[in-house]
Amino acid sequence: EIVLTQSPGTLSFSPGERATLSCRASQSVNSDFLAWYQQKPGQAPRLLIYGASSRATGIPDRFSGSGSGTDFTLTITTLEPGDFAVYYCQLSGDSPFMYIFGQGTKLEIK
Amino acid sequence: QVHLVASGGGVVQPGGSLRLSCAASGFPFSDYGMHWVRQAPGTGPEWVAFTRYDEGYKQYSDSVKGRFTVSRDNSKNTLYLQLSSLRTEDTAVYYCAKSRYSKADLGDWGQGTLVTVSS
Repeated sequence: EIVLTQSPGTLSFSPGERATLSCRASQSVNSDFLAWYQQKPGQAPRLLIYGASSRATGIPDRFSGSGSGTDFTLTITTLEPGDFAVYYCQLSGDSPFMYIFGQGTKLEIK
Repeated sequence: QVHLVASGGGVVQPGGSLRLSCAASGFPFSDYGMHWVRQAPGTGPEWVAFTRYDEGYKQYSDSVKGRFTVSRDNSKNTLYLQLSSLRTEDTAVYYCAKSRYSKADLGDWGQGTLVTVSS
C-alpha cells in the first residue's frame, strides 16, 4: 500500500515570499498520476496541478509542480494573501484501483 | 461550465441509512466516470467510490465496501451514493467529483453535503 507523506504539517510564510511544499511517496510512482489541490475553509478542494507538473486551467503561473519517483514538490512563488490554505497531493492508480491523498500541508501567514 | 450539486446529507443514527444525490450539468454526464470523496472534520479528503460511465465498473474504498453502493441515472444526469450500516466514523462532508484532464485527477468537485452519524 502506497502512502503519501506531506511534511511539515504547517508552513509559515509572509506574503511575497516563496513556498516549497513536499510530497513523498512510500514507493516510486508514475508522475502522470500525481496531482496537487488547494483547499480553503468551507470549500471543496481545487485542482492546481495534474501529471505532477501541468497547471490546471486558470491557475496562475506562480504555482508550479515538479518531481518524479518518490519526491514531488509544489512551489508557489511570490505568495499572495489568497494562497494561504491547505494543500494536498493526490495519487491515483489502476492496479490496484486507488485515489489516495496526503495528509496536507497548511500554509499560514507568518 | 461543469456544475455538480450534492444533496441528501443529514443527521442519522449509527446503523442507519441515507441516500446522497449529485445533480450534474454543463458536461456530457453519460460519458464520464464519477467519484464520491469524503472529508471528515479536520482531516484530508478520502476517496470513497467510483462508477464508470455505464455502471459497468465500480470500485469502493475498503472502509465502505459492503456498506455503501454507488449508482447513477444517466437519463437524469444524477449520481447516487447509498449509505448503509452507518458508523460514527462515516461522519464527513461528502463530495461528488469527476476527472477533468485524465482519469488520474479529480478536476471538478461539487460543493459537498454533510453527513453526521450520531445517536
